[in-house]
Amino acid sequence: AQTVTQSQPEMSVQEAETVTLSCTYDTSESDYYLFWYKQPPSRQMILVIRQEAYKQQNATENRFSVNFQKAAKSFSLKISDSQLGDAAMYFCAYRRGYGGATNKLIFGTGTLLAVQP
Amino acid sequence: EAGVAQSPRYKIIEKRQSVAFWCNPISGHATLYWYQQILGQGPKLLIQFQNNGVVDDSQLPKDRFSAERLKGVDSTLKIQPAKLEDSAVYLCASSLDHLRGGRETQYFGPGTRLLVL
Repeated sequence: AQTVTQSQPEMSVQEAETVTLSCTYDTSESDYYLFWYKQPPSRQMILVIRQEAYKQQNATENRFSVNFQKAAKSFSLKISDSQLGDAAMYFCAYRRGYGGATNKLIFGTGTLLAVQP
Repeated sequence: EAGVAQSPRYKIIEKRQSVAFWCNPISGHATLYWYQQILGQGPKLLIQFQNNGVVDDSQLPKDRFSAERLKGVDSTLKIQPAKLEDSAVYLCASSLDHLRGGRETQYFGPGTRLLVL
């Protein structure tokens, strides 16, 4: 079974600084996707960034980028120039790549990010 | 484009009572998911629908939980009778078609927060 582990329950960063959130996963599949979701206090899950396992290039979305280490099964999120609005719970998630069967998201336990002004 | 709608946003009930949650997915989305998020944990899939058929309900406690999506659009999740451990946020999500594979983006609703006393 696939598992996702986030070992940092809480992190803090100063506004305008950079922070990295860690995630490791375990799977025997070769075709999969990895995601980072943001969940602010409103509880609405928002997709931050997505990485396809078959792509070696790390995904980037504006101030958000990932460090995908497939052999180590590591998938960290880097937030540059942190803003107050980045404060939220961040979840790492895994999903198998092929259709035709359930491709539910498997989530880690989350990292609560605080941004200090 | 309207997002995933859920109601109610909050519900407080006593144990052994019944409760129902409603979800309206994004128009045109064939796949609908219900996740349970217990405090301090990541969301866990309860049930996945493709149109009005069930794709995965392996983690749904069928002795007390039921869900339906009769016309392939709206969905209702019911708990009867509720237990203390059912206190959680219930998230509904939808995607265009899970058969397209893991690249599919799941869009989440705001969730329903349930407290069982």
